[in-house]
Amino acid sequence: EVQLVQSGAEVKKPGESLRISCQGSGYSISDYWISWVRQMPGKGLEWMGTIDPSDSFTKYSPSFQGHVTLSNDKSISTAYLQWSSLKASDTAIYYCARHKDINTWSAALDYWGQGTLVTVSS
Amino acid sequence: EIVLTQSPGTLSLSPGERATLSCRASQSVISSDLGWYQQKPGQAPRLLIYGASSRATGIRATGIPDRFSGSGSGTDFTLTISRLEPEDFAVYYCQQYGTSPLTFGGGTKVEIK
Repeated sequence: EVQLVQSGAEVKKPGESLRISCQGSGYSISDYWISWVRQMPGKGLEWMGTIDPSDSFTKYSPSFQGHVTLSNDKSISTAYLQWSSLKASDTAIYYCARHKDINTWSAALDYWGQGTLVTVSS
Repeated sequence: EIVLTQSPGTLSLSPGERATLSCRASQSVISSDLGWYQQKPGQAPRLLIYGASSRATGIRATGIPDRFSGSGSGTDFTLTISRLEPEDFAVYYCQQYGTSPLTFGGGTKVEIK
């Protein structure tokens, strides 16, 4: 069974750094790109960027480029989303999701993690 | 960037009725690379339709019910729920994945009338 399991909720202060994780199982992690999607409180879905776990190649939305970093460790089937300096406006639920077709980012998102709530408040 | 506009913002219907949701793109979506997702409160989104009209397999290969159907091409796409079941009341998002950056529509909430 394909599963994406994300790390738990985080509470941080503005300016702090953070890395959240998404561990895949039940499939070959290197074969499918992983995207990250933000959902701010009461709002819609925003695509942040995607990573190819086979070689860590990334593509970012211009809206998020430079503010977050995507990475992965394929030895433990885990993708990461990282901030070096959080802002209050980063408060949101963050989802990881798998692209459904092999070796392409141009595919729908068929499996989703459960979401990680990040709260940034002083 | 391709902007997706969903309408209406809210659809108030009764169980058993037909729901028609629209998604319009600011420019043509490559190869009908458009998907529809359902999201219920407190849950992650779920893929319903990909390639504009193909029903997804769903988790544990249970499949998406055939009351959900997608259609359209170019800049105009539609999700139709033929007869609403109680579990279908949720928010629905379209997404294009043919051109980077990938983009989502703002969502349509289907609520019980």
